[in-house]
Amino acid sequence: ETGVTQTPRHLVMGMTNKKSLKCEQHLGHNAMYWYKQSAKKPLELMFVYNFKEQTENNSVPSRFSPECPNSSHLFLHLHTLQPEDSALYLCASSQVFPGGTGELFFGEGSRLTVL
Amino acid sequence: DQQVKQNSPSLSVQEGRISILNCDYTNSMFDYFLWYKKYPAEGPTFLISISSIKDKNEDGRFTVFLNKSAKHLSLHIVPSQPGDSAVYFCAASFISSGSARQLTFGSGTQLTVLP
Repeated sequence: ETGVTQTPRHLVMGMTNKKSLKCEQHLGHNAMYWYKQSAKKPLELMFVYNFKEQTENNSVPSRFSPECPNSSHLFLHLHTLQPEDSALYLCASSQVFPGGTGELFFGEGSRLTVL
Repeated sequence: DQQVKQNSPSLSVQEGRISILNCDYTNSMFDYFLWYKKYPAEGPTFLISISSIKDKNEDGRFTVFLNKSAKHLSLHIVPSQPGDSAVYFCAASFISSGSARQLTFGSGTQLTVLP
């Protein structure tokens, strides 16, 4: 396994379903991120976990619930989503240290469609 | 309000010619800038970066120029190749709380290199 892997790659769910996205990083990094990419919009930062502690919640609705059980795994639990939540959800990791560049390493994304 | 703007959603260039992708930013705190490249169905991958103490950084066919007074950076690809066809994201960061850096992304420019 290399880099950052995300599962599932594609997910279709109804508005009343509960599902989860999973991310695993094999880079030994200490920070993990969820980003949302909608068509023709900037990548939107959703959550940041630094040393397994959530350090950022970018005003994300509570129907998105992150979980970071350890520094290698990150989940995004989805519940009662709306059709406008359909997007590509990208997981990323980085090594945070003083003077670091903040370079992110991304997974391939999970394409979510909410019906 | 977008702090990082890529005003051209798309760009078409003939193979062998120069591709110039532009990015503007508004936050004068940004001191590190990155370009990411994204193919369909893949996550973004790091391409090249530049610190605010420099005005140019070169890596093979890719050169990034930074004009701090204009809050503008550009990515030059020469010569352009069909395999360069992808979406290019500009990103900027500064050190926030502690040692953490978080990237702010632009909306991307779709580059198409025509054979």
